[in-house]
Amino acid sequence: EDQVTQSPEALRLQEGESSSLNCSYTVSGLRGLFWYRQDPGKGPEFLFTLYSAGEEKEKERLKATLTKKESFLHITAPKPEDSATYLCAVQPFLNNNAGNMLTFGGGTRLMVKP
Amino acid sequence: DTEVTQTPKHLVMGMTNKKSLKCEQHMGHRAMYWYKQKAKKPPELMFVYSYEKLSINESVPSRFSPECPNSSLLNLHLHALQPEDSALYLCASSQTGFVEQFFGPGTRLTVL
Repeated sequence: EDQVTQSPEALRLQEGESSSLNCSYTVSGLRGLFWYRQDPGKGPEFLFTLYSAGEEKEKERLKATLTKKESFLHITAPKPEDSATYLCAVQPFLNNNAGNMLTFGGGTRLMVKP
Repeated sequence: DTEVTQTPKHLVMGMTNKKSLKCEQHMGHRAMYWYKQKAKKPPELMFVYSYEKLSINESVPSRFSPECPNSSLLNLHLHALQPEDSALYLCASSQTGFVEQFFGPGTRLTVL
């Protein structure tokens, strides 16, 4: 069974204090790994897609990396507006062309204090 | 236009009511999805439509009935819901294939 585990569940940072969020996954075959940001009461906002080990993507203060077992979301010098829940999702390889199914991790709630 | 819209934003309904949630996208995506999200939990997939045909139903109770009238619209018809069905209902769309999904803002549903 496909599994995605995110750690830590919650993370408090001071403004400017860099850190990393972890997403560990077990899938029969990985077709893609996705990072989303979600603000309270709103829909997830797409951040990055990673397809193969060694791949990296960057956007402003965020950098996502991928290995064969896990992905990291590095946050450099975070600001209070980066406070949100960060969700990781994997898309497994399916033989039946059933569609684009995502398996989500539980998320990391990030709080950045000024 | 890179937006998925959902109406209404909030919905309160009784257990005997019939209501519908609506979702619309104009990105030319041919896959559309309904998710249910409870507080402090990740989204749970309910239904997937691919080329306007239902391709995945994740064992959702029949009191939830999806409909895809055309490639831009997705509805979720609700009937005889239970209080435990109260949640944030999210719609998403994507190109077909192994690509990212784009989510709407959600409908906050409360069942009394």
